[in-house]
Amino acid sequence: EDQVTQSPEALRLQEGESSSLNCSYTVSGLRGLFWYRQDPGKGPEFLFTLYSAGEEKEKERLKATLTKKESFLHITAPKPEDSATYLCAVQGEGKLIFGQGTELSVKP
Amino acid sequence: DAGVTQSPTHLIKTRGQQVTLRCSPKSGHDTVSWYQQALGQGPQFIFQYYEEEERQRGNFPDRFSGHQFPNYSSELNVNALLLGDSALYLCASSSSGGATEFFGPGTRLTVL
Repeated sequence: EDQVTQSPEALRLQEGESSSLNCSYTVSGLRGLFWYRQDPGKGPEFLFTLYSAGEEKEKERLKATLTKKESFLHITAPKPEDSATYLCAVQGEGKLIFGQGTELSVKP
Repeated sequence: DAGVTQSPTHLIKTRGQQVTLRCSPKSGHDTVSWYQQALGQGPQFIFQYYEEEERQRGNFPDRFSGHQFPNYSSELNVNALLLGDSALYLCASSSSGGATEFFGPGTRLTVL
């Protein structure tokens, strides 16, 4: 059964304190692994798509990496505006399977 | 370039009623998926529409039904509402040749 597990569930950082979020997955025939950012009460905002092990993508302070079993979202020198829930999802046969998310809080 | 739009933004219904939610996909997209997101959880796949037909369905009862129109917009219908149907309902669109889905702002449904 396709499954996605994210850790930690919640992460509190000081501004400038770099860290990583983890997404472990099992899926039959990975078509893509996706990272989204979600603000409270809003729809998920697309960040990255990764397709194969070894692939990396960057956007501002965020960098996503992918292995055969997990993905990491690295946050370098975060700012308070990076506070949000970060969702990981995998696509096997058409539909997206989401993890429960990591709630990130960055304090000034 | 308009993104995915959904209406209404918020909706309050009582148990047993029926509700219809609407979605317009991002320009150039022809595939629409619907998700249910309970508070504190990740989105759960309900179903996906392509070429006006349901292409794939998640683990949701038949009370949940949908439709896609020739202009690719879509509706989600929920009959005989239960308290547990209270959630954020998300619509996502993609192109048939691509994997990435883009989400709308969601409709917050409250069932009393």
